[in-house]
Amino acid sequence: EVQLVESGGGLIQPGGSLRLSCAASGFNVSWSYMTWVRQAPGKGLEWVSLLYSGGSTYYADSVKGRFTISRDISKNTLYLQMNSLRAEDTAVYFCARDLRRTGWYSHWGQGTLVTVSS
Amino acid sequence: NFMLTQPHSVSESPGKTVTISCTRSSGSIASYYVQWYQQRPGSSPTTVIFEDNQRPSGVPDRFSGSIDISSNSASLTISGLKTEDEADYYCQSYDPSDVVFGGGTKLTVL
Repeated sequence: EVQLVESGGGLIQPGGSLRLSCAASGFNVSWSYMTWVRQAPGKGLEWVSLLYSGGSTYYADSVKGRFTISRDISKNTLYLQMNSLRAEDTAVYFCARDLRRTGWYSHWGQGTLVTVSS
Repeated sequence: NFMLTQPHSVSESPGKTVTISCTRSSGSIASYYVQWYQQRPGSSPTTVIFEDNQRPSGVPDRFSGSIDISSNSASLTISGLKTEDEADYYCQSYDPSDVVFGGGTKLTVL
């Protein structure tokens, strides 16, 4: 059974850093297209970052230069390193897997809440 | 980059049919697949339509998807509305360097 479990969220001051983890089971992260999506309180879904199986990475303009997506094959885990955090980064962060490599995110984690506040 | 525009909200009565539109701002709607996700409060999104018009197993055939090249848009149609269909619905598409979600449509079944 495919499962994605996010962790690492919490309360952080503006300008701080946080690393989110997404532990995968039931499939290999290294062979999959993986993405991070966030949802600010009461708002819609916003794409954050994409990691292709070949290693190419892409970012939304709002996080480019501050966030880094990566994976650890030995731990079968996806990461999102978030630096220079701002109040507007406050959101629930979801990781998701593109099952068929067609842009369809078939599996989602439960999300982890990041709150940026002083 | 491109945007996907959805109506903010729609409402309809149980048993009726509702259609939610999703218009792509640039580039052809047919170039990359469109997905539709349902999200209830406090839950992760789940798929109701993938690859324009495919239903995952377990999603009733009351849900259908289509694309219209002439209007550069996709549509989600839900027939025989049930109160349990009340939720937020998001369309989503992509290009090789970008993933885009529509702003979401709140469906009220009253």
